[in-house]
Amino acid sequence: DTGVSQDPRHKITKRGQNVTFRCDPISEHNRLYWYRQTLGQGPEFLTYFQNEAQLEKSRLLSDRFSAERPKGSFSTLEIQRTEQGDSAMYLCASSSPERASTNEKLFFGSGTQLSVL
Amino acid sequence: SQQGEEDPQALSIQEGENATMNCSYKTSINNLQWYRQNSGRGLVHLILIRSNEREKHSGRLRVTLDTSKKSSSLLITASRAADTASYFCATATTSGSRLTFGEGTQLTVNP
Repeated sequence: DTGVSQDPRHKITKRGQNVTFRCDPISEHNRLYWYRQTLGQGPEFLTYFQNEAQLEKSRLLSDRFSAERPKGSFSTLEIQRTEQGDSAMYLCASSSPERASTNEKLFFGSGTQLSVL
Repeated sequence: SQQGEEDPQALSIQEGENATMNCSYKTSINNLQWYRQNSGRGLVHLILIRSNEREKHSGRLRVTLDTSKKSSSLLITASRAADTASYFCATATTSGSRLTFGEGTQLTVNP
């Protein structure tokens, strides 16, 4: 257990429905990341937060996707009007880099497996 | 798009043998990290090597980095069945704040 928790672990939904995932990072970590991973591939970056500020978003994050981290603690990732292509593992990670300009190691949650029927 | 490419895509060895996985990347980096992922689980950080380092050890793990060739290797010595997992390299650029992952090597260690 890395200390990063994600909920739910699995989500099955019908195409067109909205879904929301939650991530609780390690409490003292100020950075929070969302990644998406499909079978047989490496994680792909979606977005990240420094405290409550969303500092970077990938082009993968279409306007159907929105992420928030309202108080700089937990984060939510919402997908509106889900499509079958959204089926993937959604991974959350947190970190607390020693220096703002560098990356240190990420602590990942176990992920939310989304299946869109 | 993925920054790193792992080689081989899949590796099957016997317990006790050494496993070597390679990673190539395209842009200048600040550091390179290796992660392990068991099936259906999140990733676990194994080791980080900075761009000014050439080799690093952690237990049965040995990582090398050749910035002139933009490549890294992960060696697992005396492998165990419990080492069966996917292994990913990830790079951090000098100016970016994200980690970019490769596609991974699936390692199977047969008892």
